[in-house]
Order: sequence, then C-alpha cells, then structure tokens
Amino acid sequence: NAGVTQTPKFRVLKTGQSMTLLCAQDMNHEYMYWYRQDPGMGLRLIHYSVGEGTTAKGEVPDGYNVSRLKKQNFLLGLESAAPSQTSVYFCASSPGQTTDTQYFGPGTRLTVL
Amino acid sequence: AQSVTQLGSHVSVSEGALVLLRCNYSSSVPPYLFWYVQYPNQGLQLLLKYTTGATLVKGINGFEAEFKKSETSFHLTKPSAHMSDAAEYFCAVRPTMIGNEKLTFGTGTRLTIIP
Repeated sequence: NAGVTQTPKFRVLKTGQSMTLLCAQDMNHEYMYWYRQDPGMGLRLIHYSVGEGTTAKGEVPDGYNVSRLKKQNFLLGLESAAPSQTSVYFCASSPGQTTDTQYFGPGTRLTVL
Repeated sequence: AQSVTQLGSHVSVSEGALVLLRCNYSSSVPPYLFWYVQYPNQGLQLLLKYTTGATLVKGINGFEAEFKKSETSFHLTKPSAHMSDAAEYFCAVRPTMIGNEKLTFGTGTRLTIIP
C-alpha cells in the first residue's frame, strides 16, 4: 500500500514550456486535490475532484488544468509555465466525507526559469 | 467565507518545555478543525482533528488540542517538547455542510526545538 505518490519529485522548466504532474493513490479514495505551497502562504487549493470524471476549481486555478479519467489518478497540467508557478505542489486524497482525513503525497518541487 | 490565523510563524522552545501553537478561525458556523504536521521535505500528515464530541482531542506523538467555541480557537499543545517535534505545523478548517469539501489552511508555524 503506497498511499499517495507523485511524479516527478523535481522539475525545472523554462517559461512557456508545458508539463503534467501525476498523482496516484491506491486507497480507492473518491476525492482528490491539488495544492500549491509557497513560503508564508500555507497551502492553497488549485483544483479538486469528487469522483472519476469530475473536476472543480479551487482557490487559485488560473494557469492550471486537471483531469481525472481514472479514479486512482489525478493529473495537473501547466500549458504555458510562468515563473509565478514556481512552487511545491502537493496532491492529496480522501474517502469523501467532510470529516475525513486528507492523505498527502510527498510533493513535487517545480522551478520555472 | 472562513479563514484561519496562526499566531507566530516561528516558535522556539527548549527540549522538555511546553509547546503551544495558536490557531484561531473565523467562520459563521463552527467548522471541523484539523492540525497537520510537515517534516522537512515531506508531505503533510494528520496530527489530530475535531469534528464532534469531546472538545479536548488527543493526537499522535503526544499532541493534543482543545476546541473553544467562545474563543474561536483550536490551540495545539504538548507538555514536553522532543527534538523530533521540529517541523512545520498547519491548522486547517473545513465547513460542516455536506457538499463543501475544501480545507482552508493557515500559513503555518515552524517549530524549532532548542537542545
């Protein structure tokens, strides 16, 4: 049982390049989330999904797209990376009730030059 | 809209001393409350949470927190700090209404333990 895994762990992009971050969970969780973590700002929700085939915007969705084609995977895409997207990205999943714990992946550190 | 305030972005305590990390929330209805810990270069893991019932909640690693509705607070404490407690701690809230799945995090408190 690996929990929540994220690929890649580190990435450096040039402005304007695109990339996709992959999140996978093996706990059969319904809900999945993408956050970004910036110094002094805590974690901010980018997009989330309440089930396979569904996605919704969070607090800071601009410049990102997501897809949830399979229940266990949640992809975060950057179509045209900007330096402001330099951050640490965390994926999380939860079973689906409002009292449920969210389980976090180890993070992806992205630098956009 | 709800928000979370963590007083003190950095807290230092001596090994063996009391740890107190402060969290206050702003919400028209008391939310569900969570404390997460993040060790260096790792993801977040749940320390404890309050949903219903007893307002004093015990978590992992000897931490506990008390929900005080009158003070809109959920402060985290540990009687005796250990070197392994050095980490960043995040308070988070979530609405109790079904259909709102979003956690709102505070900005975090970095705890340093002095030998």
